Amino acid sequence: AQSVSQHNHHVILSEAASLELGCNYSYGGTVNLFWYVQYPGQHLQLLLKYFSGDPLVKGIKGFEAEFIKSKFSFNLRKPSVQWSDTAEYFCAVNEGKLYTDKLIFGTGTRLQVFP
Amino acid sequence: GAGVSQTPSNKVTEKGKYVELRCDPISGHTALYWYRQSLGQGPEFLIYFQGTGAADDSGLPNDRFFAVRPEGSVSTLKIQRTERGDSAVYLCASSLGDREGDEQFFGPGTRLTVL
Repeated sequence: AQSVSQHNHHVILSEAASLELGCNYSYGGTVNLFWYVQYPGQHLQLLLKYFSGDPLVKGIKGFEAEFIKSKFSFNLRKPSVQWSDTAEYFCAVNEGKLYTDKLIFGTGTRLQVFP
Repeated sequence: GAGVSQTPSNKVTEKGKYVELRCDPISGHTALYWYRQSLGQGPEFLIYFQGTGAADDSGLPNDRFFAVRPEGSVSTLKIQRTERGDSAVYLCASSLGDREGDEQFFGPGTRLTVL
C-alpha cells in the first residue's frame, strides 16, 4: 500500500529563514504529488503539484518543490519564510490513474514562524 | 463562486446514534471525495464518487459507514451506531474529475464528536 512520510512534525523558524520540509512516498509506479497547506482556521488548499515534466515545481506564495524520482521524495522549499506562512503543511500522493484519484496524505508538518 | 460547503460544521452525538453529514461540491465538479482527519494525522481517504456512482469505497472502515450521491451533486455520509473512535473531522473535496491529477478543492469539514 502507498504511504507518505513527513519526517518533520513541528518546525519553528524566524522570519527570513529558509525552509525545507521533507516528504517521501512509497509507490513504484507513476504518481502525482501535491503539497497542501492549512492556515489557522481555514480549510486545506493546494500549494503546488507535480504531474509530469519539469521536476522543479513552483507554487503560490514563493513555494517550490522538487520531485526526485530516485529518492521517492518531493521536498517543499521556500528561501525566506514570513510570519504569514505559519500553518500546517501536508504532502500527498495519488496513483496517477484516472478513477483512482484518492489522495494519500502524510501526517503533516506544523510550521511556526516568529517575527 | 462558492467553494465546497459542508453541514453541519459541528456535530455532537451520543455513542450508538446515527448521523448524517452533508457535502455540497463546487458546481460542475463530477468527482467528490470524503476524507476523515483525526487529531495529529493527515486526512485519510474514505470514498470517491464519479458522478452518482462510488468509484472507490476502499477507505470506508466498516459497514457502519455509507455514502450516497443520488443526483451526482450533493453527497451524504451516513454513520450508523456511532462509536467514540468515529470522532474526527470529516472532510469533503471535489474536482472536475476529467483528468489525472486534478486539484481537489476541500470544504471546511464537519467536526464529529461522539460522547
